[in-house]
Amino acid sequence: AQKVTQAQTEISVVEKEDVTLDCVYETRDTTYYLFWYKQPPSGELVFLIRRNSFDEQNEISGRYSWNFQKSTSSFNFTITASQVVDSAVYFCALSASRWPDAGNMLTFGGGTRLMVKP
Amino acid sequence: NAGVTQTPKFRVLKTGQSMTLLCAQDMNHEYMYWYRQDPGMGLRLIHYSVGEGTTAKGEVPDGYNVSRLKKQNFLLGLESAAPSQTSVYFCASREPPFNEQYFGPGTRLTVT
Repeated sequence: AQKVTQAQTEISVVEKEDVTLDCVYETRDTTYYLFWYKQPPSGELVFLIRRNSFDEQNEISGRYSWNFQKSTSSFNFTITASQVVDSAVYFCALSASRWPDAGNMLTFGGGTRLMVKP
Repeated sequence: NAGVTQTPKFRVLKTGQSMTLLCAQDMNHEYMYWYRQDPGMGLRLIHYSVGEGTTAKGEVPDGYNVSRLKKQNFLLGLESAAPSQTSVYFCASREPPFNEQYFGPGTRLTVT
């Protein structure tokens, strides 16, 4: 079975602070993919990043960075110099490819609501 | 290129009524999915399809049916709505071998 845990249900920061959103996953598969999605107040889900289990290199995209550590089964997301527009719910998700007939379904964490105050 | 669209955006049903949610994608993706989002629980997979004419059950399929008669459309039906089906429903599509799914804007359904 797959499981994704986002222990932080809500985080509140002041603009320009750095913030890290935690994600811990469980899977028995050796090949899997990890994702982060953003859900702004408007409600849509926006794809942010995909990582496969063979690539532990950290990634940086502007103010966003992701730290993937297989040893701790974690895929954490850091926003540097947060802005009010970063306020959203962020979801971490896991997809395993062991069962092709499962259509690579995504297993989502419960989400972390980030509030960035001016 | 509209991506993934969902119809309707909002709906209120009475217990026992039926309805169909429509998902359409113009990216020619092979796979399509229906999820429901409930507070504090993230998204859970209801049904999915790996190609035209195919459907399969996800994590929480009870009370729902689906059909994929055309590649670009994926329909989610509620035959006899229950208050427990009050939720936000998201459709998504994906083209293998790429693994990211692209989501529609969601449908907010309330069953009274």
